[in-house]
Amino acid sequence: DIQMTQSPSSLSASVGDRVTVTCRAGQNIATYLNWYQQKPGKAPKLLIYAASTLQSGVPSRFSGSTSGTDFTLTISGLQPEDVASYYCQQSYRVPYTFGQGTKLEIK
Amino acid sequence: EVQLVESGGGLVQPGGSLRLSCAASGFTFSSYWMSWVRQAPGKGLEWVANIKQDGSEKYYVDSVKGRFTISRDNAKNSLYLQMNSLRAEDTAVYYCARGGPKGFQHWGQGTLVTVSS
Repeated sequence: DIQMTQSPSSLSASVGDRVTVTCRAGQNIATYLNWYQQKPGKAPKLLIYAASTLQSGVPSRFSGSTSGTDFTLTISGLQPEDVASYYCQQSYRVPYTFGQGTKLEIK
Repeated sequence: EVQLVESGGGLVQPGGSLRLSCAASGFTFSSYWMSWVRQAPGKGLEWVANIKQDGSEKYYVDSVKGRFTISRDNAKNSLYLQMNSLRAEDTAVYYCARGGPKGFQHWGQGTLVTVSS
């Protein structure tokens, strides 16, 4: 199975801050990396697919990038509504695997 | 509008069985891979299984192989998960999701399965 290591597990930032979450794949997954946002009690929402493609309707402050097997989700200008947990997921090979998640809070 | 509505969750004793259903609407169900993804209380997401458009290919996470069976009925626009020999560690919210290599674009609201005596 492909292991996805996500960091940090939690973070606190202020409104307007630039926030980054990192995910490292245990092997090459090309750009088969997706990012999700999950708010409490709700289903996950796809933010970014193929490492850097913004899903339709997602605010442009969200972006994704890649360097080898390292992937980054960036929120440029944190908003109060961004409080949520964020997960990476590889869709290169089954079993599809998720990172452990990052819980984002507002200071 | 794409809609996925799960049902069938509930409380079941260890070793018991449960069948989850997911009713799909708003898209051509028979054209998409479908998956089940679960989330244990307070934990992260875990992909469970997926099934090809015509049901000819199915894949499972190791922890459910031999116990869970994914299936679909394209005439009824429905996805199923038959869960046998349930264990406490299967307790989770189970989501059905549409998608594949480009991620899961659509999710249901989830149905809670609790395995406890």
